[in-house]
Amino acid sequence: QITLTESGPTLVKPTQTLTLTCTFSGFSLSTSGVSMNWIRQPPGKALECLAVIYWDDDKRYSSSLKRRLTITKDTSKNQVVLTLTNVDPMDTGIYYCAYRTNGFPIKDWGQGTLVTVSS
Amino acid sequence: DVQMTQSPSTLSASVGDRVTITCRASQSISGWLAWYQQKPGKAPKLLISKASSLESGVPSRFSGSESGTEFTLTISCLQPDDFATYFCQQYDKTPLAFGGGTKVEIK
Repeated sequence: QITLTESGPTLVKPTQTLTLTCTFSGFSLSTSGVSMNWIRQPPGKALECLAVIYWDDDKRYSSSLKRRLTITKDTSKNQVVLTLTNVDPMDTGIYYCAYRTNGFPIKDWGQGTLVTVSS
Repeated sequence: DVQMTQSPSTLSASVGDRVTITCRASQSISGWLAWYQQKPGKAPKLLISKASSLESGVPSRFSGSESGTEFTLTISCLQPDDFATYFCQQYDKTPLAFGGGTKVEIK
């Protein structure tokens, strides 16, 4: 059974750096074809894919946010970390981590963590 | 990047209605399209993959189809549990991209 749990601050001030951790179980991020995705959803709005890291450490980012995003993995701890620099109130939303294997859509999601950017 | 254009953004319907939601990709995605249902405060739930393949446990009133770069989700007989927001997502190319969502409301 795959479980994903996001953790991190609920409130961040503008210009600060947001660091979120996804802790998972039920699979290995060393397995070929596996990827971990970070997706966010502003209140009442659509889902946006932010970043993905693959089993082979390949990383891809949203074109509009790539200057501000970093995704890393710690396979031994079963964790994936997302950092977003210079946050703005527009970065407020629910942040999800999600598991995917090549050739398939996302089936497994964390419960999401609400992050508010406000002074 | 692939852009997904979903319509309508809101749909008012009654129990028993047939409803249709459309998603258009900005380029070919070779049918690698999924449909999700999301309820308030919950993560999205996968309904359909590869444009028309129903996930296990999803009621057969849900169906998907494709025609080129246009994809359709149909709910044949709307049930009370179906009032939710629906998203399409392409998973052919990175970054993955979602449509803007369709909120199905009670008429």
